[in-house]
Amino acid sequence: EAQVTQNPRYLITVTGKKLTVTCSQNMNHEYMSWYRQDPGLGLRQIYYSMNVEVTDKGDVPEGYKVSRKEKRNFPLILESPSPNQTSLYFCASSPGRDAVVGYTFGSGTRLTVV
Amino acid sequence: AQKITQTQPGMFVQEKEAVTLDCTYDTSDPSYGLFWYKQPSSGEMIFLIYQGSYDQQNATEGRYSLNFQKARKSANLVISASQLGDSAMYFCAISGTYKYIFGTGTRLKVLA
Repeated sequence: EAQVTQNPRYLITVTGKKLTVTCSQNMNHEYMSWYRQDPGLGLRQIYYSMNVEVTDKGDVPEGYKVSRKEKRNFPLILESPSPNQTSLYFCASSPGRDAVVGYTFGSGTRLTVV
Repeated sequence: AQKITQTQPGMFVQEKEAVTLDCTYDTSDPSYGLFWYKQPSSGEMIFLIYQGSYDQQNATEGRYSLNFQKARKSANLVISASQLGDSAMYFCAISGTYKYIFGTGTRLKVLA
């Protein structure tokens, strides 16, 4: 089944404790992206990747890191999480940035930083 | 820079009626794509429909159609014959040179 697998689904952590949210797709998609969703703000792009080893900042990159060492994986790293990073996170992929089929989204990760 | 504006935080529609969800955009890219997504209460994001900036005809997918007015920079979603299962959050999005930007969403409630 074509899918984007995101883990974990739920995570509660403490301020400053490094964490990684994994994202993997099995569709050979080139374009991958991370978003955070907050009430009233919609989805805001954190980072995106056009292909392996090609990543760039979205609109809200502060406090996050990403890497794209393999085409299928695009982990999101929070080196020192803070409470303002409490949010719902989505990983998404598409064949290309301007693909007509739209994104395939992961199931989301609800992160709480206390 | 790109921007998406959805001015309707919430909408109600009677079952079996049509409803239009508004979306306006701004971009400096000569070529771009416009998308609509649905997010039911369960939380997953579902792709609905796509419109390319050079497409001459409005996109349609089943009960969904995209009313694209390039000069007005609008890309409204029309849902015909609303069903109770259409109750959800709807997001408009634009893809440009590199970034892929979403609006703040419209929450649609279909009334029986």
